[in-house]
Amino acid sequence: EVQLVESGGGLVKPGRSLRLSCTASGFTFGDYAMSWFRQAPGKGLEWVGFIRSKAYGGTTEYAASVKGRFTISRDDSKSIAYLQMNSLKTEDTAVYYCTRADGDYDILTGTPFGFDYWGQGTLVTVSS
Amino acid sequence: DIVMTQTPLSSPVTLGQPASISCRSSQSLVHSDGNTYLSWLQQRPGQPPRLLIYKISNRFSGVPDRFSGSGAGTDFTLKISRVEAEDVGVYYCMQATQFPFTFGGGTKVEIK
Repeated sequence: EVQLVESGGGLVKPGRSLRLSCTASGFTFGDYAMSWFRQAPGKGLEWVGFIRSKAYGGTTEYAASVKGRFTISRDDSKSIAYLQMNSLKTEDTAVYYCTRADGDYDILTGTPFGFDYWGQGTLVTVSS
Repeated sequence: DIVMTQTPLSSPVTLGQPASISCRSSQSLVHSDGNTYLSWLQQRPGQPPRLLIYKISNRFSGVPDRFSGSGAGTDFTLKISRVEAEDVGVYYCMQATQFPFTFGGGTKVEIK
């Protein structure tokens, strides 16, 4: 059974940093791209970024709203994906979800075309 | 960015009756590989999103067959043939054809 468990959320002051973790089980983690999404309180869903599998260099893509501040990385030996969030702003307050890319990929670039399993999410509150 | 527009905002439905949600994209979602990467997700109250439909009309594992997706190009529809109590929640369409991946604003399905 595929499971994704996020951790690391909490209350943080504006300008500070936080690192989220996504611990995966039930599948061969290294074979999949992984992505992060977020949902501000009472709002809709927003894509944050993703990391390709090592087969495609483990490279990353980000939404414009977080580019330069957030970094996604992975440790395939531990089946964990990370979201390092720096220079946090109040508008980053949200539940952050980790997802697994589904089986559809751009074969040339390793870019995923969908996401099948979602974690339960972890709440990040940015407030002074 | 591709803008995804869902209608209606809210859909009160009688148990056992059908429901339909529309999703329109600001540009065609047909990828250069010929596929259309349009998904539908369900978010029950207090729960994370769950994938229902991918590539317009393919039901994900474990999704009841009362859920169906259709459409092409820029216009897509999610239908629930007979709404059950467990279907209450917010439904989102999402496109993954082009960066950045974007979502519709959501449609709330509730029981009358």
